[in-house]
Parts: sequence; structure tokens; C-alpha cells
Amino acid sequence: AQKVTQAQTEISVVEKEDVTLDCVYETRDTTYYLFWYKQPPSGELVFLIRRNSFDEQNEISGRYSWNFQKSTSSFNFTITASQVVDSAVYFCALRKGAGGTSYGKLTFGQGTILTVHP
Amino acid sequence: DAGVTQSPTHLIKTRGQHVTLRCSPISGHKSVSWYQQVLGQGPQFIFQYYEKEERGRGNFPDRFSARQFPNYSSELNVNALLLGDSALYLCASSLADRSSTDTQYFGPGTRLTVL
Repeated sequence: AQKVTQAQTEISVVEKEDVTLDCVYETRDTTYYLFWYKQPPSGELVFLIRRNSFDEQNEISGRYSWNFQKSTSSFNFTITASQVVDSAVYFCALRKGAGGTSYGKLTFGQGTILTVHP
Repeated sequence: DAGVTQSPTHLIKTRGQHVTLRCSPISGHKSVSWYQQVLGQGPQFIFQYYEKEERGRGNFPDRFSARQFPNYSSELNVNALLLGDSALYLCASSLADRSSTDTQYFGPGTRLTVL
């Protein structure tokens, strides 16, 4: 069975601080995909990044960066110089590789509520 | 291009009633998935449909059913509503080409309240 754990329920920071959101996953699949989604108060899940299990390169996109480590089954997300607009619930998700049933099933963590104060 | 659209936005029903939620995928996407998100939790997978066929089902009772139409839009039906069915129902679409680039994009959701 697949499982995603986001141990941080809530994080509160002041604007311009850096913040890291943790994600730990469990899977028996050798090929899998990891995702981060942002859910603002409006409710819509906004796709941020997808990472394949065979590509451990870290990625940076503007103020966002992701650290993928298979050795520790972690896929952490860092926001540099946080802004008030970053306030949202962030979800880490896992999907198995192609093949079999429920191919499209995303397994989500419980989410981390990030509040950035001005 | 339009994103994933869902209707209605909000819905209030009473216990025992039936509800139908609708979803239109992004143009060119052939797969639709449904998720239930209870307040304070992550979304839970309900169904995936691809080319009008069910490709996956989550751990939900038979009161939940869905279908996909030739234009790839989809309906989620829930019978005999229970208070515990109150949640945000999210629809996601994807190309479902089974490649590493397949990504699900979500709609704004339908907020269902069961009284």
C-alpha cells in the first residue's frame, strides 16, 4: 500500500522567511511519481511539480525548490523569501508507475497549512 | 484554454437523497478522476475513468458511482446520502497517456453539504 506523511500540520512564518515543508512517502513500486499541490482558500488544487522516481535531481523554480531523496523516501518543498500570497494548504501526493489498475490514483498526505504573516 | 470545470459550485441535500455532480475536463484530456476531500484532510481517490471505462476505484461504498461520456465529461452520483458524505468533491483531468509526464489538473470542486 502507498502512504504519504506530512508531519507538519501547521506552519506559521513571517514574510521573507524561508520555510520547508516535509513529505515522507512509502511505496513498494520501483517506478513512481511524486507531486506537490497548493490549495488556496478557494479550494482548487493547483499543480506545482511532478518528480519521477528515477530522477533525483533537485529542482528550483523561482522562489520554490524541491529536494528529492530516495534514500530517505522524502520529497521536501522549500519556499525562499515567503510572501503572504504563499499562504495556503500544501499537499504532497504519490502515484504509482504505469500499468495495472487505478493507474491514475493519487495518494495524498494530510496537508500542511502554511500561514505567512506580513 | 479553459481549465477543469465543475458544477454545481455548492449543493445542500438532506439525508437519503441522491446527488449528481458534473465535471468537464481540459480540452484534449481523456481521463477524469474524482476525489472526496473531507474538511481538514487530504483528498481521497474515488474513481478514475478513461475513454468511458472505469480504470480505478477507491475504497468507497456502492452508493458512489460514476460514468464518462463520449465528450469525456463525467458525472459522479451518490445515492442514499449520509451526513458523512458532506465534503468537497474534486474532479481532475489528465491525458492519461501512461507516460511519466501525465499530471492531473483539478477543478474548483463542488461543496456538498448533507443535512
